[in-house]
Amino acid sequence: GEDVEQSLFLSVREGDSSVINCTYTDSSSTYLYWYKQEPGAGLQLLTYIFSNMDMKQDQRLTVLLNKKDKHLSLRIADTQTGDSAIYFCAEIYGGATNKLIFGTGTLLAVQP
Amino acid sequence: GAVVSQHPSWVICKSGTSVKIECRSLDFQATTMFWYRQFPKQSLMLMATSNEGSKATYEQGVEKDKFLINHASLTLSTLTVTSAHPEDSSFYICSASAPLIRGETQYFGPGTRLLVL
Repeated sequence: GEDVEQSLFLSVREGDSSVINCTYTDSSSTYLYWYKQEPGAGLQLLTYIFSNMDMKQDQRLTVLLNKKDKHLSLRIADTQTGDSAIYFCAEIYGGATNKLIFGTGTLLAVQP
Repeated sequence: GAVVSQHPSWVICKSGTSVKIECRSLDFQATTMFWYRQFPKQSLMLMATSNEGSKATYEQGVEKDKFLINHASLTLSTLTVTSAHPEDSSFYICSASAPLIRGETQYFGPGTRLLVL
């Protein structure tokens, strides 16, 4: 099946690091993505990682990929209140159309 | 770059009417656009894949006669919800595929919130 799973909720204090986890199913995915959705808004692409990479760092964001376990994580360093949002991981499902399969979403709440 | 717009941003309509939602890629050409639906507190569910100049491919369980998709140009796809009913109330989001930019990434529009009374 095409299941991408995430924990539903994460609460952290401002200044701490946040780690959002995701497990996916399609081992043939070439790219995996992290999107951010603020209340009432569309999706903002945060970062992506190619499947032959283990890690990618982009300023405060670090993506770790464990292909063997089909596990993806997003670490946000020095979390700020503006980071409060829902975070979706997504994988490209194999095939010609590059269909994106989204995770269930993790609501990140940053406490001041 | 890679900006996708949607219009309208929100719409309220009476049950039985049809509603058209536009999705435009503003600064790139998109041969493929995707339409998603998101119910409150849920993830995005792909409804259909829209290819320029050909018929859309619908996901299982999505009625193609109810959700009409037209992708007439490389920068515009439209979704028409025909004979809308209250259960069609949702947040509709489109995305455009931009394989030449990077990572075969999909860029998302801001979404259209539909409320059917």
